[in-house]
Amino acid sequence: GQQVMQIPQYQHVQEGEDFTTYCNSSTTLSNIQWYKQRPGGHPVFLIQLVKSGEVKKQKRLTFQFGEAKKNSSLHITATQTTDVGTYFCAESGNQFYFGTGTSLTVIP
Amino acid sequence: ETGVTQSPTHLIKTRGQQVTLRCSSQSGHNTVSWYQQALGQGPQFIFQYYREEENGRGNFPPRFSGLQFPNYSSELNVNALELDDSALYLCASSLEPGRNTIYFGEGSWLTVV
Repeated sequence: GQQVMQIPQYQHVQEGEDFTTYCNSSTTLSNIQWYKQRPGGHPVFLIQLVKSGEVKKQKRLTFQFGEAKKNSSLHITATQTTDVGTYFCAESGNQFYFGTGTSLTVIP
Repeated sequence: ETGVTQSPTHLIKTRGQQVTLRCSSQSGHNTVSWYQQALGQGPQFIFQYYREEENGRGNFPPRFSGLQFPNYSSELNVNALELDDSALYLCASSLEPGRNTIYFGEGSWLTVV
């Protein structure tokens, strides 16, 4: 089946540093969604990207969809301790294929 | 709050037993999907129900089965439990299958001993 890979698997940053996670697919994605899962919690929807080359911003978070619609990235500027969690990308179709996730630790 | 509720929140079962997990979807949502999330892994798609019919299935054996009821609530049944079935089981609802946002419940933590 579909497999969406994310890198890195883990990231430790000092509070205030930037953070980026990358999502890659071997096939063209119809769209990409991003979710955040806090430790012990459930995934929470952040955003959906549909168009090739699309860029969306939510405060300190910037989401990009690649021109070929095979990759996507999430960038967080000036991380805060509240950003801690695992970030998943997912392709949504009739089924949702979640990426492997990037676990972010922010050191105060 | 996503409006998606799951029960029970935690349970412990013995290998070989059967378990039923329940999910109430968000009001107005006719599509329910189930996911298995092992510790440290991403959610893995089990199956989806749309208007009471199975509408897609992931790579899970037949001992994982489900139902959707006329009010769009859903059940996940797992027979002949194995130790590797220990995981967080997430239910998610959406307006329709496809590109709509999905809303997850808090999940049911299943431990098989």
